[in-house]
Amino acid sequence: EADIYQTPRYLVIGTGKKITLECSQTMGHDKMYWYQQDPGMELHLIHYSYGVNSTEKGDLSSESTVSRIRTEHFPLTLESARPSHTSQYLCASSFPGTLNNEQFFGPGTRLTVL
Amino acid sequence: GDSVTQMEGPVTLSEEAFLTINCTYTATGYPSLFWYVQYPGEGLQLLLKATKADDKGSNKGFEATYRKETTSFHLEKGSVQVSDSAVYFCALMEYNFNKFYFGSGTKLNVKP
Repeated sequence: EADIYQTPRYLVIGTGKKITLECSQTMGHDKMYWYQQDPGMELHLIHYSYGVNSTEKGDLSSESTVSRIRTEHFPLTLESARPSHTSQYLCASSFPGTLNNEQFFGPGTRLTVL
Repeated sequence: GDSVTQMEGPVTLSEEAFLTINCTYTATGYPSLFWYVQYPGEGLQLLLKATKADDKGSNKGFEATYRKETTSFHLEKGSVQVSDSAVYFCALMEYNFNKFYFGSGTKLNVKP
């Protein structure tokens, strides 16, 4: 069973609030990812990191930002939430190698912005 | 570029029916292939994987064979259960670029 955690699991907030979605893993994985999952189920990569102090934007443009100060921690921040940010956010991690290279996912945070 | 295409859903089956969810891919190199499952309200879980051509991944009665000649990785199960109702994602990871590509997901509904 994967040891990757996301908090909160559900969040309902008002427009304009600053929020941080937490993601932590205890597997020592170097690579971590944030996906946004729309109601049609498709996953969109919004941020990824190859290690401490490494962050990159993904395929889908996002107003969120991320940081990677510690290997195990990869928080995502929205400075000013808007209704268009309402979505499911999934965090994942993986080893950097080519064999055991599957991604392990957290349970997700369902965000609703009113 | 690399991509994954899987059959659209939803797929609705009766319990004990045979399941096939088609997945085809486009890749420039030698990818690893995966099937993930997502139960309602949860994240994705790895169901099975195959790392080279002709490998067969299997788990919980599901199986998929990596077919390089047809660039396919179809998911099959001989007898589905109500508890298999979920969304299934096909994915590939390209070795050279170390990037993951997911299909759009196929929702499976199994009725008793």
